[in-house]
Amino acid sequence: AQKITQTQPGMFVQEKEAVTLDCTYDTSDPSYGLFWYKQPSSGEMIFLIYQGSYDQQNATEGRYSLNFQKARKSANLVISASQLGDSAMYFCAMREPLNNNAGNMLTFGGGTRLMVKP
Amino acid sequence: DSGVTQTPKHLITATGQRVTLRCSPRSGDLSVYWYQQSLDQGLQFLIQYYNGEERAKGNILERFSAQQFPDLHSELNLSSLELGDSALYFCASSGSLENEQFFGPGTRLTVL
Repeated sequence: AQKITQTQPGMFVQEKEAVTLDCTYDTSDPSYGLFWYKQPSSGEMIFLIYQGSYDQQNATEGRYSLNFQKARKSANLVISASQLGDSAMYFCAMREPLNNNAGNMLTFGGGTRLMVKP
Repeated sequence: DSGVTQTPKHLITATGQRVTLRCSPRSGDLSVYWYQQSLDQGLQFLIQYYNGEERAKGNILERFSAQQFPDLHSELNLSSLELGDSALYFCASSGSLENEQFFGPGTRLTVL
């Protein structure tokens, strides 16, 4: 079974508008972390935002915010005021469990390609 | 710039050959992770080292091996290369904080 699901293979958004990229996850561990990364066409993986399962508030980093709905097991990325430079692939990833010396690898979703229209 | 460096940036080789990819983690990070990104498999975890010791293994083929050296840099060795090994290979590193894993720029491997 997929642990991380990104149901939107591609999305368009008008410049300066907000956009939500969906991510659902599956875990039975109460302790986990959720990450979002941006991968532009140049290929590098750029860390955007992190949400821990015990964090009381939704994470925010500049124009990025994470809409964390624990009961629904969703961690959607919201990008406000889209810019042309936001056009890229976006990946949701999960680390579970936290504080586990056995390994802290990330499991990635399939990604969403976001295209910002001028 | 994440602080994680990888060399080479591009590598073109032939089937059956062996290559070595190199990674230097961020200063002070003890954990190094290797991931493979291919069109058909997506982004997959291969292996993790922590302070020189193997800590976790993912979908890593027996033809692939890795190690982490005392200076904490890591190498991923890929042998008996096949066309399907063509992919972008990422190294990532993390320290003691749970909310971080920073990726290097990747090595794009093309097997002809």
